[in-house]
Amino acid sequence: AQTVTQSQPEMSVQEAETVTLSCTYDTSESDYYLFWYKQPPSRQMILVIRQEAYKQQNATENRFSVNFQKAAKSFSLKISDSQLGDAAMYFCAYGGSQGNLIFGKGTKLSVKP
Amino acid sequence: GAVVSQHPSWVICKSGTSVKIECRSLDFQATTMFWYRQFPKQSLMLMATSNEGSKATYEQGVEKDKFLINHASLTLSTLTVTSAHPEDSSFYICRAGASGTDPFGDPYEQYFGPGTRLTVT
Repeated sequence: AQTVTQSQPEMSVQEAETVTLSCTYDTSESDYYLFWYKQPPSRQMILVIRQEAYKQQNATENRFSVNFQKAAKSFSLKISDSQLGDAAMYFCAYGGSQGNLIFGKGTKLSVKP
Repeated sequence: GAVVSQHPSWVICKSGTSVKIECRSLDFQATTMFWYRQFPKQSLMLMATSNEGSKATYEQGVEKDKFLINHASLTLSTLTVTSAHPEDSSFYICRAGASGTDPFGDPYEQYFGPGTRLTVT
């Protein structure tokens, strides 16, 4: 069975600074997807970034980028130039080839002005 | 773009009654719907996966007779919590499966519903 581990329950960053959220996963599948989702207080799940396992190049989306280390099964999220609106719960998720999603426990990110 | 709605957004019911939550894909056909439950300050836990016209597949530990899932059409799936108890109070979220070859669809589309907050008194 696949598992996703987020070892940082809470993180804090100063506005305009950079923060990295950690995520590790375990799987025996060779074809899969990895995601970072943001859940603000409204609780709407918002996709931040996704990575296909077969792609060696790390995904980037504006201020968000990932460090995907397939051999180490690591998938960290870097948020650059942090903004107050980035404050939220962040969930790392594993996506299987059947479309199922397995979530980590989440990291609560606070942004200090 | 892809939009998924849920109704109601919040509901309060008395213990012992049943509650139905609707999940609709507004502008695309969702052959698969995923239902999640999220307790306060916790992660999303998959409850069941439903395919249109078929019986739902429930995750281990989820009572299929208590959480009835119907996926009668490509745009509507319902979750009915039967004989609700206070411990069923939670946030329920649906996610529509994307059509096409990519199981997660267009990354710029939204496939999660906004969620339903259920409180059982």
